[in-house]
Amino acid sequence: AQRVTQPEKLLSVFKGAPVELKCNYSYSGSPELFWYVQYSRQRLQLLLRHISRESIKGFTADLNKGETSFHLKKPFAQEEDSAMYYCALEGGSEKLVFGKGTKLTVNP
Amino acid sequence: DADVTQTPRNRITKTGKRIMLECSQTKGHDRMYWYRQDPGLGLRLIYYSFDVKDINKGEISDGYSVSRQAQAKFSLSLESAIPNQTALYFCATQRAGTGAYEQFFGPGTRLTVL
Repeated sequence: AQRVTQPEKLLSVFKGAPVELKCNYSYSGSPELFWYVQYSRQRLQLLLRHISRESIKGFTADLNKGETSFHLKKPFAQEEDSAMYYCALEGGSEKLVFGKGTKLTVNP
Repeated sequence: DADVTQTPRNRITKTGKRIMLECSQTKGHDRMYWYRQDPGLGLRLIYYSFDVKDINKGEISDGYSVSRQAQAKFSLSLESAIPNQTALYFCATQRAGTGAYEQFFGPGTRLTVL
């Protein structure tokens, strides 16, 4: 079974502090992993995908197959990073399985 | 710009009513999906379609039905709405093929069932 776990419902940090949003997955094969973000009153949009190995808006995420994790990190959080973040997995079925999401609040 | 649109954006209805939510896209994608979003539960897949003649149940299809009228249109129906179907509903599209393809989401429909 494919499953994505985001253990933190809420995460609050101060501006300039590092932030890490955790994501663990369960899948027996080689997954495609994504982070989607939903800013207030906006639609869900892709933030980054592991296969691209890119940094978007200062965020990075590394796939750790040993720990089955894909944590999202940013060294210095900004107020505009406040949003709902969803980790998602695609396991060869052209369907995404989403975690329950983490609401990040960056305080001034 | 190619886009994914949903109508209506907000709808309030009563228990037992039939309601249809519509999704249109100009991205030319074959894959289309319907999700519902509930606080604390994330996004859950209701139905998905890989092309016009293909309909598949997702994780939570009970109480819902869909119709893929054309490549660009995918409608979600609630045959007899009940209060626990109150949620935010999203349509999404994706290009065909396995791989790290992005899903593009519509703006959402906020449905309230009284």
